[in-house]
Amino acid sequence: DAGITQSPRHKVTETGTPVTLRCHQTENHRYMYWYRQDPGHGLRLIHYSYGVKDTDKGEVSDGYSVSRSKTEDFLLTLESATSSQTSVYFCAISDARRQFFGPGTRLTVL
Amino acid sequence: EDQVTQSPEALRLQEGESSSLNCSYTVSGLRGLFWYRQDPGKGPEFLFTLYSAGEEKEKERLKATLTKKESFLHITAPKPEDSATYLCAVQEDNAGNMLTFGGGTRLMVKP
Repeated sequence: DAGITQSPRHKVTETGTPVTLRCHQTENHRYMYWYRQDPGHGLRLIHYSYGVKDTDKGEVSDGYSVSRSKTEDFLLTLESATSSQTSVYFCAISDARRQFFGPGTRLTVL
Repeated sequence: EDQVTQSPEALRLQEGESSSLNCSYTVSGLRGLFWYRQDPGKGPEFLFTLYSAGEEKEKERLKATLTKKESFLHITAPKPEDSATYLCAVQEDNAGNMLTFGGGTRLMVKP
């Protein structure tokens, strides 16, 4: 494994509640990414970061925000969770040539 | 408009029965094409990167090839432990380090 952990690994929450997912790396890579994976849609990029406090939107960023205050941590926040955000969320890190993925967080919004 | 299309969606093979998975792409400029393996409940695991048409990469029973419009992942004499979902992704010239993924091929190898 590429030194990536995600927490929590599983979470069940209710519509309208805020949720924060954490990605932690020990590789000191500059680039970090958040994806969601859904049946029929594959992996889709939500947000990414190219350095501390440097982030940008991906393909499906509506309803999500991110923060990166340290090189090793990249947080994904759902300000007010909706049922359409039920998914498996993957964090990835990159050495600018390849992306390495974390183990994923399964989020269920009831 | 899909940029990356994988076929078939699912493939069942007998152990030892060789086959190929396809990844076709439509991008203006290809910077790299990536293959990943994903086991159930886990994150994608990097397999190969291909950069130019004609390039080939091999790892155990897997060989990836690249043309100007598609990539193939050839599986020779597969074993049950090769069962997984195989994902391909493209990186475009003007998209930084971002990847666009295909929907994946779910491979099942029966003993």
